[in-house]
Amino acid sequence: GNSVTQMEGPVTLSEEAFLTINCTYTATGYPSLFWYVQYPGEGLQLLLKATKADDKGSNKGFEATYRKETTSFHLEKGSVQVSDSAVYFCALLDTGRRALTFGSGTRLQVQP
Amino acid sequence: EAQVTQNPRYLITVTGKKLTVTCSQNMNHEYMSWYRQDPGLGLRQIYYSMNVEVTDKGDVPEGYKVSRKEKRNFPLILESPSPNQTSLYFCASSQETGFRTQYFGPGTRLLVL
Repeated sequence: GNSVTQMEGPVTLSEEAFLTINCTYTATGYPSLFWYVQYPGEGLQLLLKATKADDKGSNKGFEATYRKETTSFHLEKGSVQVSDSAVYFCALLDTGRRALTFGSGTRLQVQP
Repeated sequence: EAQVTQNPRYLITVTGKKLTVTCSQNMNHEYMSWYRQDPGLGLRQIYYSMNVEVTDKGDVPEGYKVSRKEKRNFPLILESPSPNQTSLYFCASSQETGFRTQYFGPGTRLLVL
């Protein structure tokens, strides 16, 4: 079946540091890939997405590239802010069930 | 404002006492789904619905029921809650056509004693 593996957190960075959160997946076919973000006490919000190989999703300074050869979708940001502190979930779409398969989430803490 | 709403946001109950968590969306979406979030496990799908009167099991359906009598509503029913159903629950919806993005509700935190 489908699965998503994320690096364990928490990830603690200083403001303006470079961020990478690793995500790899296992799936049949060519799934769409997503990053969702969950701020404290809130639901999940779509951060970015990519629907085919070599696509780059980007939003709010975050980027991730769909790498079919390495089955990866790593999240990056060049300069994090305190307001980026949240839990980040990598996910893939099972087109049959319209279901998202999520990774376990990575907590990011950015210190001023 | 386009949104998915859930009620209640917080609930403490006892084993065996039936409860319902409501979910409503105002975006005229065909597809709706329930997830539970547990530490270290991410989100796992409980049930989903492709449209009115069409529901199907997700990955962890045991102990839950759903119904889809109206397009906008998708309640989650726990007929006899048990402590292992203590969790954070999220409802989500999306358009069937060109499905790519799911919109999530704010979550319902449930504690079963």
